Amino acid sequence: DAGITQSPRHKVTETGTPVTLRCHQTENHRYMYWYRQDPGHGLRLIHYSYGVKDTDKGEVSDGYSVSRSKTEDFLLTLESATSSQTSVYFCAISEADSHSGELFFGEGSRLTVL
Amino acid sequence: SQQGEEDPQALSIQEGENATMNCSYKTSINNLQWYRQNSGRGLVHLILIRSNEREKHSGRLRVTLDTSKKSSSLLITASRAADTASYFCATAGGSYIPTFGRGTSLIVHP
Repeated sequence: DAGITQSPRHKVTETGTPVTLRCHQTENHRYMYWYRQDPGHGLRLIHYSYGVKDTDKGEVSDGYSVSRSKTEDFLLTLESATSSQTSVYFCAISEADSHSGELFFGEGSRLTVL
Repeated sequence: SQQGEEDPQALSIQEGENATMNCSYKTSINNLQWYRQNSGRGLVHLILIRSNEREKHSGRLRVTLDTSKKSSSLLITASRAADTASYFCATAGGSYIPTFGRGTSLIVHP
């Protein structure tokens, strides 16, 4: 199994509070991704990173920010959580120096915003 | 918006039968991938097929790709109860960023 750890795995928070999800990899892969999974929508890309301090927006980036200060860590921040951000968040990494390879996923972080 | 769309949304079969899932997409791709997700777990990569390939096999899995029809199929032969999961196709275009469909939920009855 690829070494990907997401934390926290479960979190309940209130509307308006900031939330940070962490993805940590031990594989030294260049690319890292944050997806959210919702019933009826499958997985949708929030942000991705192609190197330290190199990030770009995905399909559903509004309300989210990311940071990557080290190869192994990719943080997803909800500055002011809303109920629509209740979801399961998955981090993924990909091998080598190409996007074209397979993704390895973490186990997910379930976020509930009340 | 989703690039790939899986069909059917749900599939229920008996152990030993074959399961076929389809994926249709809208724009040109560089590769198409299939993933499996067991309940409450992360996705696991099954197979990748490149745009210049027509068919790939991996164990009991067979994937076909028809770029003229913008479609792919995943065949699981001799299904087992352990194959019960959701299956997703993901397409990668010029940016090589995988875009996922909504998935097919497969139930294999013992």
